[in-house]
Amino acid sequence: NAGVTQTPKFQVLKTGQSMTLQCAQDMNHNSMYWYRQDPGMGLRLIYYSASEGTTDKGEVPNGYNVSRLNKREFSLRLESAAPSQTSVYFCASRNRLGSRGGETQYFGPGTRLLVL
Amino acid sequence: AQSVTQLGSHVSVSEGALVLLRCNYSSSVPPYLFWYVQYPNQGLQLLLKYTTGATLVKGINGFEAEFKKSETSFHLTKPSAHMSDAAEYFCAVSEGSNFNKFYFGSGTKLNVKP
Repeated sequence: NAGVTQTPKFQVLKTGQSMTLQCAQDMNHNSMYWYRQDPGMGLRLIYYSASEGTTDKGEVPNGYNVSRLNKREFSLRLESAAPSQTSVYFCASRNRLGSRGGETQYFGPGTRLLVL
Repeated sequence: AQSVTQLGSHVSVSEGALVLLRCNYSSSVPPYLFWYVQYPNQGLQLLLKYTTGATLVKGINGFEAEFKKSETSFHLTKPSAHMSDAAEYFCAVSEGSNFNKFYFGSGTKLNVKP
């Protein structure tokens, strides 16, 4: 199993350009997440999808959109990139089981995004 | 909303010394607690987690953590540091009212000196 994969690994954008970050998991997990990681701030949740067909905002959703394409894939779109969106983006998945909350998240290797 | 505080953004220990990384959380309901490790240019890997039951939790690579409800803490320890432990460590909490959301601390970079 590949686990959680992300593409691209690295991207440079100009202000105002758009792009989509791709994430896929092969563990048959029902929940998927997008985080951004900035120095000294840990990981902050952008959006999550508790199950196929649903998406919800996290802490920092402004400037982003997501699509849960199917159970395997969860994409993150920047419609008009800004320098403040320069960050490392991580996708994660989890097999969420009902009301239990202790299930582990599995992370992808990350996408490094630089917006000039 | 939850908050997770990791005291000390950088911790330096000598090889063979005790490792202690601190994590405090705010929660009005029993939380689920996690420690993750991140090596350079990689994603996060689970070290250990507390869900229910025994409050002393053992993880991989000799790490353990103790959930102390009265202190709202979940500190990570390892009796003897190895050079390979040098990494960044993140404490995370699964929110009590919405277990879909995770809140991460700001991270602690562990440096191990020979």
